[in-house]
Amino acid sequence: QKEVEQDPGPLSVPEGAIVSLNCTYSNSAFQYFMWYRQYSRKGPELLMYTYSSGNKEDGRFTAQVDKSSKYISLFIRDSQPSDSATYLCAPSRREGRRALTFGSGTRLQVQP
Amino acid sequence: DVKVTQSSRYLVKRTGEKVFLECVQDMDHENMFWYRQDPGLGLRLIYFSYDVKMKEKGDIPEGYSVSREKKERFSLILESASTNQTSMYLCASSIYTDTQYFGPGTRLTVL
Repeated sequence: QKEVEQDPGPLSVPEGAIVSLNCTYSNSAFQYFMWYRQYSRKGPELLMYTYSSGNKEDGRFTAQVDKSSKYISLFIRDSQPSDSATYLCAPSRREGRRALTFGSGTRLQVQP
Repeated sequence: DVKVTQSSRYLVKRTGEKVFLECVQDMDHENMFWYRQDPGLGLRLIYFSYDVKMKEKGDIPEGYSVSREKKERFSLILESASTNQTSMYLCASSIYTDTQYFGPGTRLTVL
């Protein structure tokens, strides 16, 4: 079993839709939960992160973590064609040199 | 502004060639990483370095080596390129090992 599971998609939605991207993980040692966004032919960039359980909002993006069920979500409100990208969840132990584990990414397409 | 650069965007090499991929960061970060990214497999860690001349193997180090002689530069070396090393190679750097800044990637094709 992989430490981090993520549906590869593609997920296609119309412009303006609310998008829900999800990951599950197996290691209870993860404390920080990162979301990276990767545009086509570019390197990933850190979008946002949360610590432990709960929600964090940043503009149209909300990251949610439920540690009891080991479930991570990223919600995008009022989705735009510019949000079309691959989204990678990446839980982190924070401590130690091998802290970060990437999911395989979900490809999102927002249709105008 | 944070900057990680990689020496080439696209590279074509022949089987058996020695290949050097260079990565430079201008943020004075201690940690640097090399990943490869393949469809369906996501990002896989090849090697990382937590200080000059210090390195540790990642998940898939076979067929690769690395060099970090200066803090800002981390090189990935394919000793004898093979077709199964055709991939996108991504370099990253970080202060904390989880908030990583990535370069644009090098798409390597081995013929």
